[in-house]
Parts: sequence; C-alpha cells; structure tokens
Amino acid sequence: AQSVTQPDIHITVSEGASLELRCNYSYGATPYLFWYVQSPGQGLQLLLKYFSGDTLVQGIKGFEAEFKRSQSSFNLRKPSVHWSDAAEYFCVAYNQGGKLIFGQGTELSVKP
Amino acid sequence: GAGVSQSPSNKVTEKGKDVELRCDPISGHTALYWYRQRLGQGLEFLIYFQGNSAPDKSGLPSDRFSAERTGESVSTLTIQRTQQEDSAVYLCASSLWRVSGREGETQYFGPGTRLLVL
Repeated sequence: AQSVTQPDIHITVSEGASLELRCNYSYGATPYLFWYVQSPGQGLQLLLKYFSGDTLVQGIKGFEAEFKRSQSSFNLRKPSVHWSDAAEYFCVAYNQGGKLIFGQGTELSVKP
Repeated sequence: GAGVSQSPSNKVTEKGKDVELRCDPISGHTALYWYRQRLGQGLEFLIYFQGNSAPDKSGLPSDRFSAERTGESVSTLTIQRTQQEDSAVYLCASSLWRVSGREGETQYFGPGTRLLVL
C-alpha cells in the first residue's frame, strides 16, 4: 500500500540552527509530493511541492526540499530556523487515485 | 484573493445530535475535498467532488456521514447522530481540477471546523 512516513514525531531545534525534517514514501511510480505546515489554530499551508523536473524545490518562508528517488525520500530543510517556524509539518503524497496521503506529522519546537 | 473558508470554526454538540459543516472553496476551483484530523494524527480523506462527476465517497467512515455540493461552489458535510469518536477537526480543501500530472492538483486548505461531541 502507498504510504508516507515521517520518522520523527517531535523535533526541537535552537533558533538560528539548521533544520531537516525527514520524509519517506512508498509508491510504485514517482509521486507528486508536498510539504504542508499547520500552525496552532491555523489551517494547512502549502510550503512547497514537487511534480517533476529539478529535484531541489524551493518553497515559501525559506524552506526547500530535495526529492531523492534512490532513497524514496523528500526531506524538508531550512538553513536557519526562526521561532515562528514552530508548528506541525506534514509530508504528503498524491496518488494516482486522486487522494492525498498524509504522513503522521512532525511537531517542531524552537528553543530561544 | 479569498482562500477556502469554513464555518463554523468551532462546534460543540451533544452525542446523538446532527451537525452540518460548511465549506466555501476558492472561486473557480472545480475539485473539493473533505478530510478529518483527529488529535495528534494526520489527515484522513473523507470525500471528494469534481465538477458534475459522482463524488468519491470511499473515505466516509459510516453511513452517518454524508456530503453535498451545489455545482462548483459550497459544500456541506453532515454528520448524523454524532458520536464522541466524531470529535475532530474537519478540513476542506479545493483545487483547480483533478487531472493527473497537472499543476491544478495542488490542494488549498481551509482553517477547519473543530467539532467536539460531548
């Protein structure tokens, strides 16, 4: 079955430090991949997406993600985290059946 | 421009009552989706509408759940005889269209309706 795995349930980083959130997918073909962020009390906001082409995609708020087919991964990165980045992050795959498959989410806390 | 809007933002109800949740998609978006997010979990797909096609109801957890959409605009999700396990955030999303391989598949989410069944 198609699935998306985010191995880290909760990550804490210091403000100004770099960040990498892991995501692995299980899918026969190249999926369409997304990262969404959900701040407390807010809806889901699209950070970035990968459909095809360049495997390094840039998103909003200084985030980027790299698609690695050999590792079935789509990790999210940011070089310097800001306190306002504290939120829950979801890695999402879109399958050919037209449904979004969500990972369980990674909660990010930022230490001052 | 306006994003996806949902109402009410919060709903508290008693077990056994019916509730209706509303979603207004982004204007021009033909595809509309409903999801449920239980506390601490990812989203579960519930139902999807695309234009005049029959909706994909494969994610509805029971026959107590139903949804309608008027044309390519407003949708309502109805939960009959609510149970405590229905407590969750119900999220609506819309996209331009749903054609494989096209940019229009990107889904934009509303703020959600937080439902609490006592």
